[in-house]
This record gives sequence, structure tokens and C-alpha cells, in this order.
Amino acid sequence: DVKVTQSSRYLVKRTGEKVFLECVQDMDHENMFWYRQDPGLGLRLIYFSYDVKMKEKGDIPEGYSVSREKKERFSLILESASTNQTSMYLCASSSTSAGHYGYTFGSGTRLTVV
Amino acid sequence: GEDVEQSLFLSVREGDSSVINCTYTDSSSTYLYWYKQEPGAGLQLLTYIFSNMDMKQDQRLTVLLNKKDKHLSLRIADTQTGDSAIYFCAESINDMRFGAGTRLTVKP
Repeated sequence: DVKVTQSSRYLVKRTGEKVFLECVQDMDHENMFWYRQDPGLGLRLIYFSYDVKMKEKGDIPEGYSVSREKKERFSLILESASTNQTSMYLCASSSTSAGHYGYTFGSGTRLTVV
Repeated sequence: GEDVEQSLFLSVREGDSSVINCTYTDSSSTYLYWYKQEPGAGLQLLTYIFSNMDMKQDQRLTVLLNKKDKHLSLRIADTQTGDSAIYFCAESINDMRFGAGTRLTVKP
């Protein structure tokens, strides 16, 4: 069963902390994505990556960075967490950039910044 | 998700049909998708339709595509309480764009 695994289901962090969200996929997909999900706003793309060591900004990259040192792992970094970054974070992967056969999503990390 | 629009809520009774509607703006979208998100979980791909198709049926699910009006719908026949979830419409051209999601509530 193919999987996208996010390391934490729930996280609580303090304002100003550096936060790492990890995502690992076992499908040998080139493309990986980070979204945040907020009620009424749907999914908004933060960053994506088409290859190892490659990254592209999505629609809302401010306050975030990413790292892709290995094909299977894509990390989202909150450099200095703020309360407006409290959200559900979803990682996804696909074999094509447009995801012609759909994206495979992880279960999500619900981050609360206090 | 501003390029893909869908209503936020739908409530139906168990056994009825549910119809979730979506409009998209980019006529060059090649694939259109429906995803399901159960509480506390990520998104699960339900079905997708290629832009040269009008309809796709898969068991209780029927997807209708009207390219002229840029309208996509998902019909769930004989809706069950287990169908309660958020349903996302999405389009893809160079990347994937999602709607805000429709929360389907099924009442017994």
C-alpha cells in the first residue's frame, strides 16, 4: 500500500520556535507538495518540489521554507512560528507535476502555535 | 482555491442522492478531480475525469462534466452516514488547484 507519511499528527509549539514538519513518500515520486488547510479557504499551496534539492514557491510561501535533500523526503520549516500559522498542514506527492492521476496525501499535521 | 468554486455545505438524508457542484475557470484544464476528506485525515482521491469526457460512473459515484459552462458535479447515490466528509473539487493544468471543499452531512 503506497503511502505518504507525515511524522506528527498533532504539534503544539510556542511563538518564535523553529518548527520542522517532515513528510516521507515510498512511491518514488518526483513531485512533492506542502499545503495548509484552513476552514473556508480550502487548500493553499505553500511550496513544492519537482526534484531533489529543487524547490518552488507556491501561493503563500511567506514565513516558510522547505528542504528536499532526498527524493523521498520533503520537509517544511517554520523559521519563527507565529499564531497565524496555526493550521492543518498536508503533504502530497505525485508522479507528474500536474498530478494527472491525482495526488497522494498524507494524514496531515495539525499545528497549534501558542 | 479562488479559481475553483464550490458551496461550503450540503445536508441530505440517508438513502437520498447527494449532488455536489463545482465551477472552474480554466478551460484548458486537462483533468478534473474529486477528493474526499474524512475527519482528522488527509485527502483521498475519489475519482477523476479527463476533459474530453462528459460522464464517468464508478459504483455509487457519477461525475458529470459540462465543459461549455465549466461545471463539474459529483453525484452520490444512496448516500450513507459513512459518506459524511468534506469533498474537494480540483483541476489540473500545470499544477493542481483545489476548491474550498463542500462539507456533506448525512442525517439518519
